[in-house]
Amino acid sequence: EVKLVESGGGVIRPGGSLRLSCVASGFNVDDYGLSWVRQSPGKRPEWVAGVGWNEISMNYAASVRGRFTVSRSNVKRSLYLRMTSLKAEDTALYYCVRAQGRDYDLAFDQWGQGTMVIVSS
Amino acid sequence: DIVLTQSPGTLSLSPGERATLSCKTSETISGKYLAWYQQKPGQAPRLLISGASNRVTGIPHRFSGGGSGTDFTLTIGRLEPEDFAVYYCQLPGTFGRGTKIEVK
Repeated sequence: EVKLVESGGGVIRPGGSLRLSCVASGFNVDDYGLSWVRQSPGKRPEWVAGVGWNEISMNYAASVRGRFTVSRSNVKRSLYLRMTSLKAEDTALYYCVRAQGRDYDLAFDQWGQGTMVIVSS
Repeated sequence: DIVLTQSPGTLSLSPGERATLSCKTSETISGKYLAWYQQKPGQAPRLLISGASNRVTGIPHRFSGGGSGTDFTLTIGRLEPEDFAVYYCQLPGTFGRGTKIEVK
């Protein structure tokens, strides 16, 4: 069974930092791109960042570029998101998602249950 | 950046009726990257269609996708009670605002 399990969310003050993790199981992670997608209550999903199968190719949404860093470790079967300079508008449920192939920006066929990030003073 | 415009915002239908959802792109695109998702309250989105018209394994045949250029559609042949949800179209890097199908 394919599973993506996120962790690391919480309540953080504006300007703070947080690191999200996602552990994958049930498939060969080397064959798939992985991304983070976030969603605020009542809003559409928003792609945040992604990294390809080779741990090298990556990209970011304009809204987070320069503040967030995505990485992965195929050996550890894990995806990470380092978030700095957090803003109130970063408040959302953060999903770890699997792309349909080796690129991170293909359709997302597997989703975790998400980890909630709340940025508030 | 390409903008996705979904319509209508809300669709009020009865079980058994046909649903047609629209997704228009601001530029001509290859349908290769157009996907559709279903989301129910409290759940993560679920991929239904990729490549504009390729139904994902396990998705019922009443769901079909089509279109090309700038105009794409998701059709649900006969609505089942479990189909009342929000539907999003997506391209790499962006999602549409969604169409909610509600019970009439």
